[in-house]
Amino acid sequence: ETGVTQTPRHLVMGMTNKKSLKCEQHLGHNAMYWYKQSAKKPLELMFVYNFKEQTENNSVPSRFSPECPNSSHLFLHLHTLQPEDSALYLCASSQDRRLAREQFFGPGTRLTVL
Amino acid sequence: RKEVEQDPGPFNVPEGATVAFNCTYSNSASQSFFWYRQDCRKEPKLLMSVYSSGNEDGRFTAQLNRASQYISLLIRDSKLSDSATYLCVVNRDDKIIFGKGTRLHILP
Repeated sequence: ETGVTQTPRHLVMGMTNKKSLKCEQHLGHNAMYWYKQSAKKPLELMFVYNFKEQTENNSVPSRFSPECPNSSHLFLHLHTLQPEDSALYLCASSQDRRLAREQFFGPGTRLTVL
Repeated sequence: RKEVEQDPGPFNVPEGATVAFNCTYSNSASQSFFWYRQDCRKEPKLLMSVYSSGNEDGRFTAQLNRASQYISLLIRDSKLSDSATYLCVVNRDDKIIFGKGTRLHILP
């Protein structure tokens, strides 16, 4: 397995459900990211982890809760979401958090909240 | 004003033509710049980093103008496979900011 993988690829959930998105990178990188991509809007950076420490939280509602147990895995725990949270959630990794580093993206999880 | 603005698309261009994308950024403290490409229903992938002196990779040329705060991407001899959305990315401090992207359709 190479690159950045995400599961599930598609998720439909009700507003009262709890679910988790999983991301795994096989690149030996130390920084991992969660992004949200909504239709007709730019990618929005949600969370950044560098060497397993959260370094950035871009004013994301608490119904989104990230977890980084090690430098290869990243989770996004979801609970009591709203229909406007429906979007493509992309995970990315880079060698580290320095600015000039290329980011490698996973294929994304397309989330629909009913 | 948005921090990163790109040409609104889509661009519909015949195969073989030259295409130019522009991107402006509002914060003069921005430090590094990239062009990413995103195919329909796929993830973004790095196309090119943008260096102060300008850089070229085959048919693709990227330019940075710090004084005017804009970045450009030129695609020469466009191919059908160039059809995608092109995303401008600007980094400053700990911020990574993506533009909305410009969709390109290459017409046969």
